[in-house]
Amino acid sequence: DTEVTQTPKHLVMGMTNKKSLKCEQHMGHRAMYWYKQKAKKPPELMFVYSYEKLSINESVPSRFSPECPNSSLLNLHLHALQPEDSALYLCASSQLAGGPGETQYFGPGTRLLVL
Amino acid sequence: KQEVTQIPAALSVPEGENLVLNCSFTDSAIYNLQWFRQDPGKGLTSLLLIQSSQREQTSGRLNASLDKSSGRSTLYIAASQPGDSATYLCAVKGGGSRLTFGEGTQLTVNP
Repeated sequence: DTEVTQTPKHLVMGMTNKKSLKCEQHMGHRAMYWYKQKAKKPPELMFVYSYEKLSINESVPSRFSPECPNSSLLNLHLHALQPEDSALYLCASSQLAGGPGETQYFGPGTRLLVL
Repeated sequence: KQEVTQIPAALSVPEGENLVLNCSFTDSAIYNLQWFRQDPGKGLTSLLLIQSSQREQTSGRLNASLDKSSGRSTLYIAASQPGDSATYLCAVKGGGSRLTFGEGTQLTVNP
């Protein structure tokens, strides 16, 4: 199974809402990632978890709160978002964070619209 | 800071044509280079990964080359098909776990 799953596929939320994005992989990977992608732009790294510990936070606003409850699951908690946060949110995983031959496997993404 | 550039930004070709997508990067100290495909509104699919010690990788009609010293990679697609229409992203991996992406080439293959 080389699949990364993400739920929900689409999400519409108001600026006062609290919502969560979920990502799951069962490949035994120990590194998981959150990316944000705006239309016609490449993905931008937000967070990296390595062995369930946050290893990289790319100066992401605190209204985005990641969580890694176990090695297979990655959440992104959203609170008080702004309309400019509307984007495709991609989750990825890799065997380890930093190996030269590692491939990152991406999920299908969650399309988020903030009203 | 690593910068990745992809040329052209968009490409439209008739079905059956062989084509080349280009990727260049400014810092040659990379671990690997990866080519991805992205369909509109979808996630990324890894096509080929070339480690820094390798010169090329092949998968079916796809061939990717890497010239680390000159900071260049090409993705060659043979006998293009309408199903190849997508955005192709090049990403380089330096130390640690960060991927630096190019802006992508939007490919349209016309039947």
